[in-house]
Amino acid sequence: DQQVKQNSPSLSVQEGRISILNCDYTNSMFDYFLWYKKYPAEGPTFLISISSIKDKNEDGRFTVFLNKSAKHLSLHIVPSQPGDSAVYFCAASALGGNKLVFGAGTILRVKS
Amino acid sequence: KAGVTQTPRYLIKTRGQQVTLSCSPISGHRSVSWYQQTPGQGLQFLFEYFSETQRNKGNFPGRFSGRQFSNSRSEMNVSTLELGDSALYLCASSLAGTGTHEQYFGPGTRLTVT
Repeated sequence: DQQVKQNSPSLSVQEGRISILNCDYTNSMFDYFLWYKKYPAEGPTFLISISSIKDKNEDGRFTVFLNKSAKHLSLHIVPSQPGDSAVYFCAASALGGNKLVFGAGTILRVKS
Repeated sequence: KAGVTQTPRYLIKTRGQQVTLSCSPISGHRSVSWYQQTPGQGLQFLFEYFSETQRNKGNFPGRFSGRQFSNSRSEMNVSTLELGDSALYLCASSLAGTGTHEQYFGPGTRLTVT
């Protein structure tokens, strides 16, 4: 039972344009959401998070939007840079716990 | 501040053997979680330790166990290794307590079981 889904296995974007990565979840108990970036042979790097009491959180070029009614969140990267090319994972946790449930990941390629 | 460190980085074991992986969290972090990453199952939560106590557990068999020491360092043990245990094992640390969920990952230990 996939509680966190990233339905796009890959995304290709031109440098300077916006990258939008999407994530859907099914568990209504999730109250905290995170995005991680991962390069091959490295551990995931924390990017940005959002609590379920908010609908938007911004940090530099990264913005996460949360639509609780649709159980959907998205990560916007503006402007996209070639160094952003990596696998992006969406993760969720529930009830103040540290058990993260991850999506399958989306490979982002930013072309120069 | 130093990041999360994991040792060893690479390990090759034979079926039936056991293995112990080590994780040192970021200084001041008291929660340590372990994850398994495989191509088929993705990133899956194994367990979390906080103040030397297991606080959360994922859906893995009892062959997978862990512990945490008073300095927050953690070890993970897998007994009676199976081919399917070949994976990247990731450790993550966080400040939690409650209400703090950002976890910072180490580089992982690549375990190959032959």
